Amino acid sequence: DTEVTQTPKHLVMGMTNKKSLKCEQHMGHRAMYWYKQKAKKPPELMFVYSYEKLSINESVPSRFSPECPNSSLLNLHLHALQPEDSALYLCASSQTGGDTTDTQYFGPGTRLTVL
Amino acid sequence: GQQVMQIPQYQHVQEGEDFTTYCNSSTTLSNIQWYKQRPGGHPVFLIQLVKSGEVKKQKRLTFQFGEAKKNSSLHITATQTTDVGTYFCAGPGAGSYQLTFGKGTKLSVIP
Repeated sequence: DTEVTQTPKHLVMGMTNKKSLKCEQHMGHRAMYWYKQKAKKPPELMFVYSYEKLSINESVPSRFSPECPNSSLLNLHLHALQPEDSALYLCASSQTGGDTTDTQYFGPGTRLTVL
Repeated sequence: GQQVMQIPQYQHVQEGEDFTTYCNSSTTLSNIQWYKQRPGGHPVFLIQLVKSGEVKKQKRLTFQFGEAKKNSSLHITATQTTDVGTYFCAGPGAGSYQLTFGKGTKLSVIP
């Protein structure tokens, strides 16, 4: 099973809303990632969790707050977003994350629209 | 940080024609990975190349890693409409966890 699941598939929210994106994997992977992808652009790394600890925060604004409750789950809490935050948010996982040869497996993404 | 340059940005081909996308790095890469993203979809891992001069094939797809491990290519023979999508190469980023993606090549296949 090489599946990473994400919910919801689509999300529309206002700038004052609070919402959460969820990601789950059951491959036993110990590294999980959040990426943001704008149209016609490659994925941009936002956060990396390795062994349930935040390893990388790519200078992401505090209105995005990641959480890793356990090794299978990854959340992204959203608050006071801006319209320019509208994008496809991708979750990915890999075996350990500490090896540059790790393959990353992507979930289907959440398409977020901020009004 | 490290950058991986990918060309061309777009490629339109007639069904049955061949297609190639190229990735170049100014620094030696420990490995390079290729992903395909269908329209409206998410990146799907295709392959990883690790050895200098490595060539791997998956049916009509041929992947190469340069001798100096600074460039790579993906070649598709006799394209089909199912090949439509954006192909990304990705190399190691500045940190151990990171992948640096090329900008991608969007392939359109005209039936």
